[in-house]
Amino acid sequence: AQSVTQLDSQVPVFEEAPVELRCNYSSSVSVYLFWYVQYPNQGLQLLLKYLSGSTLVKGINGFEAEFNKSQTSFHLRKPSVHISDTAEYFCAVIFTGGGNKLTFGTGTQLKVEL
Amino acid sequence: ETGVTQTPRHLVMGMTNKKSLKCEQHLGHNAMYWYKQSAKKPLELMFVYSLEERVENNSVPSRFSPECPNSSHLFLHLHTLQPEDSALYLCASSQQGDQPQHFGDGTRLSIL
Repeated sequence: AQSVTQLDSQVPVFEEAPVELRCNYSSSVSVYLFWYVQYPNQGLQLLLKYLSGSTLVKGINGFEAEFNKSQTSFHLRKPSVHISDTAEYFCAVIFTGGGNKLTFGTGTQLKVEL
Repeated sequence: ETGVTQTPRHLVMGMTNKKSLKCEQHLGHNAMYWYKQSAKKPLELMFVYSLEERVENNSVPSRFSPECPNSSHLFLHLHTLQPEDSALYLCASSQQGDQPQHFGDGTRLSIL
């Protein structure tokens, strides 16, 4: 079965600390991978995407993610977070052969504290 | 104006009312989507339009009726909704294929 899992529903972290938000997927076909961020009262904004090529992908706001095919993971990282990074983060996958359909994880609430 | 615009941003309606949500994209995309986002649940894909034809309907109740008159506009017509339909309704657009979807800011719908 094809699925996307974000194991951490909430991640608290202090400002200027590093953070990693985990995403794993299950698939028998090749995938395209995305991370979205949702600030309060807003829609989803694309942070970064992996379609092909280098497995280390850099996105906006200093975030990066690494595609690990053997571990079927696409974890999101930032070396030093800011208060303004407080938001909900969604991992999403397109399973090839399924059209444009995005399958989303359940989201991880990142809370940055002083 | 760029991006994906949704109106209204907030909507409160009774169960017997009829209303419509509007989505407009200025990105030249050829696919549009409606999602439902409820608290503590994953995003639910409701409808997909590709080249103005509905290509996916994920078992959505008939009280939700989508309309895509052209590639830039998408509507969601609502009638006789239930309290459990209260949620954030998000519209998105993309080019076909592996391109990412761009989202609007959503309509927060509350059913009294």
